[in-house]
Amino acid sequence: SQQGEEDPQALSIQEGENATMNCSYKTSINNLQWYRQNSGRGLVHLILIRSNEREKHSGRLRVTLDTSKKSSSLLITASRAADTASYFCATVVYTGGGNKLTFGTGTQLKVEL
Amino acid sequence: EPEVTQTPSHQVTQMGQEVILHCVPISNHLYFYWYRQILGQKVEFLVSFYNNEISEKSEIFDDQFSVERPDGSNFTLKIRSTKLEDSAMYFCASSEARYEQYFGPGTRLTVT
Repeated sequence: SQQGEEDPQALSIQEGENATMNCSYKTSINNLQWYRQNSGRGLVHLILIRSNEREKHSGRLRVTLDTSKKSSSLLITASRAADTASYFCATVVYTGGGNKLTFGTGTQLKVEL
Repeated sequence: EPEVTQTPSHQVTQMGQEVILHCVPISNHLYFYWYRQILGQKVEFLVSFYNNEISEKSEIFDDQFSVERPDGSNFTLKIRSTKLEDSAMYFCASSEARYEQYFGPGTRLTVT
């Protein structure tokens, strides 16, 4: 079964620095999404990249997708303390009626002042 | 901005009891989902629901679980006879189409 694995598992940086998180998966996908989760809270959708796209931007976020390597990266530029959270990639393979997300293990990002 | 809501935020129940978790998806969305996250672990898919029927379910979603959309706004997850290992955070999500899913804040279920 496909599975998203993020690395690093944990990342600690200073405010203003860039944070890069990577995600690898095992099977062909239709799209890949990144979510943020603050401690004990719900998941917030950040960005979606389709399998025929290679790069996408949204504000301070930049996502890349390399389907040949089955990997994606999330870059957060000019990080802020408020970016402290866990970040998950989730892959989607379209089935008959569903659109289930298969989540990775997550990267815990800590941005220090 | 419309959002997915879930109630209760925390549910404590005894092993063997039935629980119903409630969700109100975003009103114009057509696809509904339940996921769970055991403490310290990844988020796991349970079930997806579209056009008033289950469209996909995981191995976790056995006969003890059921979902229902009793009216035009609510989407519920029922666990008939809870086990200790059902303790987790349960997230409801909805989507307009086969794209990004919007998650609720979750219900923390504690089975004692």
